[in-house]
Amino acid sequence: GAGVSQSPRYKVAKRGQDVALRCDPISGHVSLFWYQQALGQGPEFLTYFQNEAQLDKSGLPSDRFFAERPEGSVSTLKIQRTQQEDSAVYLCASSRDGEQYFGPGTRLTVT
Amino acid sequence: GQQLNQNPQSMFIQEGEDVSMNCTSSSIFNTWLWYKQDPGEGPVLLIALYKAGELTSNGRLTAQFGITRKDSFLNISASIPSDVGIYFCAPNAGNNRKLIWGLGTSLAVNP
Repeated sequence: GAGVSQSPRYKVAKRGQDVALRCDPISGHVSLFWYQQALGQGPEFLTYFQNEAQLDKSGLPSDRFFAERPEGSVSTLKIQRTQQEDSAVYLCASSRDGEQYFGPGTRLTVT
Repeated sequence: GQQLNQNPQSMFIQEGEDVSMNCTSSSIFNTWLWYKQDPGEGPVLLIALYKAGELTSNGRLTAQFGITRKDSFLNISASIPSDVGIYFCAPNAGNNRKLIWGLGTSLAVNP
C-alpha cells in the first residue's frame, strides 16, 4: 500500500515567516512521530501522537514549534517566525506495532 | 541524555566484500531498528529486533540484538553498489516510543 507522504518536499522561507509542513501517515497507523534531521546528523525526536492525542512534545525546540493531528490521521508541523537554525529536514514517521516507517521528509531552508 | 555510539563512522569497501557495523549504548533498550538512508530520502527500515540475543536476516543483511540489550550489530554480505548509503541504528525503549539515533555509518562501495 501507499507509504508515508510529506509535503512540500522542499520549502524556502525568509527569516520570520511561518511555515506549515504536512504529513500523511500510512492508513490505519495509530502512532505518528516528527523528527528533525540536521545535515550530517541522525534524526532528532520532536513530538509524538497517538491518534489525535499529542503524548510527547518534549523534543520541540521552542514554543515557535507547534504540531497537531486533529482527526488522528494527517498531521501538520507548524513553525512560526522561522529562524536560520530551523533549516533542516523534517521527517514524519508512522507506526502501528512498533516499527516506524518514514516519509521522504521536507527540506526547509530559511534564508 | 542517552548516548548511542555507532561505529565505524564511514567505510569504503570493494564490491563483493562483507561489511560489519555496530552500535553500543550505556542504556538498555527493548527494540533495535536498523535503517538505511539515501541522499534526499527518508530512512528505510531494514531489520527490526525485539528480543535480546535475537539474530535476524533479511536477504544479505543480518542483525543481532545484543544479550545485554545495550548493543546491536548489522552485517552486509557480498556488498553491491546499491548498498551505498548511510546506515543508522535506532533503538527505543518500547513500542510507540521515540527512536534514539546514532550518527550513522556512511558506506561507499567501489565497483
